[in-house]
Amino acid sequence: RKEVEQDPGPFNVPEGATVAFNCTYSNSASQSFFWYRQDCRKEPKLLMSVYSSGNEDGRFTAQLNRASQYISLLIRDSKLSDSATYLCVVNRGTASKLTFGTGTRLQVTL
Amino acid sequence: GAGVSQSPRYKVAKRGQDVALRCDPISGHVSLFWYQQALGQGPEFLTYFQNEAQLDKSGLPSDRFFAERPEGSVSTLKIQRTQQEDSAVYLCASSHVSDGRGPLFGPGTRLTVL
Repeated sequence: RKEVEQDPGPFNVPEGATVAFNCTYSNSASQSFFWYRQDCRKEPKLLMSVYSSGNEDGRFTAQLNRASQYISLLIRDSKLSDSATYLCVVNRGTASKLTFGTGTRLQVTL
Repeated sequence: GAGVSQSPRYKVAKRGQDVALRCDPISGHVSLFWYQQALGQGPEFLTYFQNEAQLDKSGLPSDRFFAERPEGSVSTLKIQRTQQEDSAVYLCASSHVSDGRGPLFGPGTRLTVL
């Protein structure tokens, strides 16, 4: 089983829609969780950290469920510019490697 | 500069050639990571430095891969006797050790082995 698993998609949604991605992780010792965004042929860019209590940044909401070992990302009012691959990332601690999922591709259309 | 920089941005090598990829992390960032990303895949961990100490090299695929960070800032990833399967984007990222935010990535070096 992969350490971090994501549905590769693609998720095709119309502009203005709400879309949610889930990600599961296998290592219960994982401590830090992030969502990164990656545009085609570009480097991953940090979108947001994921906190135990859940957190929101504008149209983006991240949730963590430690008991079930999954992380979610909700995007409200999708924009064309949200089209990208969203990478779920897990870290076992500040002094250790990040483990990436393979990413979920989102395509927002008119 | 303000971000992580990498050079070269593109490298074409003949099979069997040695290559060296450079990463300049953000000034003051203690942690430095190297990742390999194949087309259509997520980045795969290669190695991690804290200052000049290589704390984890479990992701290096073979002994042809070697990384160093002798003075705790600039890092070099060296691949000896390149093979076609080494073709990928090599990403470098850096962060503060105590930074709860995720590391920041450089633009990557796209390596093509012919």
